[in-house]
Amino acid sequence: SQQGEEDPQALSIQEGENATMNCSYKTSINNLQWYRQNSGRGLVHLILIRSNEREKHSGRLRVTLDTSKKSSSLLITASRAADTASYFCVPGGGNKLTFGTGTQLKVEL
Amino acid sequence: DTAVSQTPKYLVTQMGNDKSIKCEQNLGHDTMYWYKQDSKKFLKIMFSYNNKELIINETVPNRFSPKSPDKAHLNLHINSLELGDSAVYFCASSPGQGWDGQYFGPGTRLTVT
Repeated sequence: SQQGEEDPQALSIQEGENATMNCSYKTSINNLQWYRQNSGRGLVHLILIRSNEREKHSGRLRVTLDTSKKSSSLLITASRAADTASYFCVPGGGNKLTFGTGTQLKVEL
Repeated sequence: DTAVSQTPKYLVTQMGNDKSIKCEQNLGHDTMYWYKQDSKKFLKIMFSYNNKELIINETVPNRFSPKSPDKAHLNLHINSLELGDSAVYFCASSPGQGWDGQYFGPGTRLTVT
């Protein structure tokens, strides 16, 4: 996979608000994945969106993919303190994942 | 019923020692990986095995030697530990070639003093 660039680098919101983070990449992809890493813990695979999909939902998560702009967004609705984590996008998938610096999300009570 | 497990969770050791980290997955996956996350939080792949065969070997010092006794296990042995080896090491697994995502273990925090 190639390295995605997440934006913003850090985001702080109140519990109950929505959080949106964006990802840009450089070359064409078959799919794009989002992962979450809680502090000091392993990564959790959140969602995968394929290149022929525009939008995908999973619980409170909504992911969009715009292949013409080479960008993706992850929306977390009604955020909770437990959503505090780093979020990484991985464009391309496969057996050699490349991670960027991620978006550090902090959800405050 | 942990999916991907690693032992130990923490490892503190002195320079020059040899140590091993073990990884096991009970998901029936074909492919397993080792990643290293340094102090700046960059996560980089080190090795990947598919059905006990090495398929990815990034630019990693040959002091690091992975061993896959069977499809469900991938261990990482590190010889002559150096200060720069201090990091969190993550094991992961995936069905097939990982196109549908990888499943990560909880990590092993290695501190070399």
